Amino acid sequence: GQQLNQSPQSMFIQEGEDVSMNCTSSSIFNTWLWYKQEPGEGPVLLIALYKAGELTSNGRLTAQFGITRKDSFLNISASIPSDVGIYFCAGPTTSGTYKYIFGTGTRLKVLA
Amino acid sequence: EAEVAQSPRYKITEKSQAVAFWCDPISGHATLYWYRQILGQGPELLVQFQDESVVDDSQLPKDRFSAERLKGVDSTLKIQPAELGDSAMYLCASSDRASTLGGYTFGSGTRLTVV
Repeated sequence: GQQLNQSPQSMFIQEGEDVSMNCTSSSIFNTWLWYKQEPGEGPVLLIALYKAGELTSNGRLTAQFGITRKDSFLNISASIPSDVGIYFCAGPTTSGTYKYIFGTGTRLKVLA
Repeated sequence: EAEVAQSPRYKITEKSQAVAFWCDPISGHATLYWYRQILGQGPELLVQFQDESVVDDSQLPKDRFSAERLKGVDSTLKIQPAELGDSAMYLCASSDRASTLGGYTFGSGTRLTVV
């Protein structure tokens, strides 16, 4: 079945550093979503991507839809302590009903 | 800002007991999802509703799990009997048909611990 693999699994960075993470799929997606989940909370949508090659920003976050449509990247510039959390990519399944599957997550910790 | 409401936030139950979770989606959202998130993993879909109808419950362990959305608004997810392996965060999400391409909005979840 469809799977989304994220790397790295976890990251420990210093405040002010830039962060890059990616998500790869075994199949083609026509939509990519990036969510952030803070401890004890549900995931919150950060960025949605709809077209191969698309580059979209949301403040210090920038995400790209890979040309092959099998991957996506999320970058965070000038990280701050509140960027701590788990970042998930998600893509729509190919089954009949419209729903999303989620990646394995990248856990980010920012050291002040 | 509209939110998906879930209760309780935390639940501790003994194995073999019954447990239920409640979700109230954003007003007007026709599609409702229940996801289970085991610690350290991404959310996995359990059941999807469109209005009051189940459209996908292929990943729901039907021998012990049940879900309903009788009036097409709020929803309950029940586990009976609970097992130790059911310990997880149970997330509810909703979307309207037009916004499905933009993903959906999650609630804060119910953290279940089975002892």
